[in-house]
Amino acid sequence: DTEVTQTPKHLVMGMTNKKSLKCEQHMGHRAMYWYKQKAKKPPELMFVYSYEKLSINESVPSRFSPECPNSSLLNLHLHALQPEDSALYLCASSQDWLVYEQFFGPGTRLTVL
Amino acid sequence: KNQVEQSPQSLIILEGKNCTLQCNYTVSPFSNLRWYKQDTGRGPVSLTIMTFSENTKSNGRYTATLDADTKQSSLHITASQLSDSASYICVVSPAQGAQKLVFGQGTRLTINP
Repeated sequence: DTEVTQTPKHLVMGMTNKKSLKCEQHMGHRAMYWYKQKAKKPPELMFVYSYEKLSINESVPSRFSPECPNSSLLNLHLHALQPEDSALYLCASSQDWLVYEQFFGPGTRLTVL
Repeated sequence: KNQVEQSPQSLIILEGKNCTLQCNYTVSPFSNLRWYKQDTGRGPVSLTIMTFSENTKSNGRYTATLDADTKQSSLHITASQLSDSASYICVVSPAQGAQKLVFGQGTRLTINP
C-alpha cells in the first residue's frame, strides 16, 4: 500500500464547531506532515511529526491541534476556526525525517462559514 | 533566503504539443529537487526526484533536467494530453532541515483540444 488517505474529502463547519481531519498511511513511514494550501498557492507547512513526536510547529494558531495516536495515524483537531482558515489541508508522509520523498494525500477541502 | 522560482506562471498549449517548464532555485546546499503534478483540489503527486549529482530523470512523457551549477531545472512534457492539465510544482529539499521543503509557486498548464 503506497497511499496516504485523508478523511473527510470535504468539510464545512461554522466558527463555533469542533471537527477533526484524519490522515492514515500504511507504508511504515515514521514522519508525517500537515500542510495548508490556499488557492493558486504552494502548500505551507504546519506541523511535522517524527516517530510520533511533534518536531516542528510552524507557529500555527492554537485553534489547530495536531495529534499522532500511532505511527500510521495523524489527526488535526479544529476548533473556533475563522473564515480565512478555509483551504485545502494536505497530509504527507515520508520514510523518516532524513528521507526526503514525501507522499501526499488527496487533501481535505475545508470551508469555514 | 531559500527560494524557488518557476516560469511561466501559466501556459496554454494544444494537445499533442511539447512544452518545457522552468525552475530556478537559490537553496544551497540542497539535497534533492523534485517535480510534482497537482490537479485542482487534489494532493501533489511526485513525477521525478533528482539528487544534486543527477542531470536528468524521466518518467514516461515527463523528463526533468537539473543543472546544479546554474541552479536550474526544467520539466519537459512530450506529446501533451488533456489529462496533463494541472499545476506543476518544483520543490527543493535543503540539505539541512530536510523536513522543510521549499516550494515554487507552480506553473498552471492548460492543454486545449
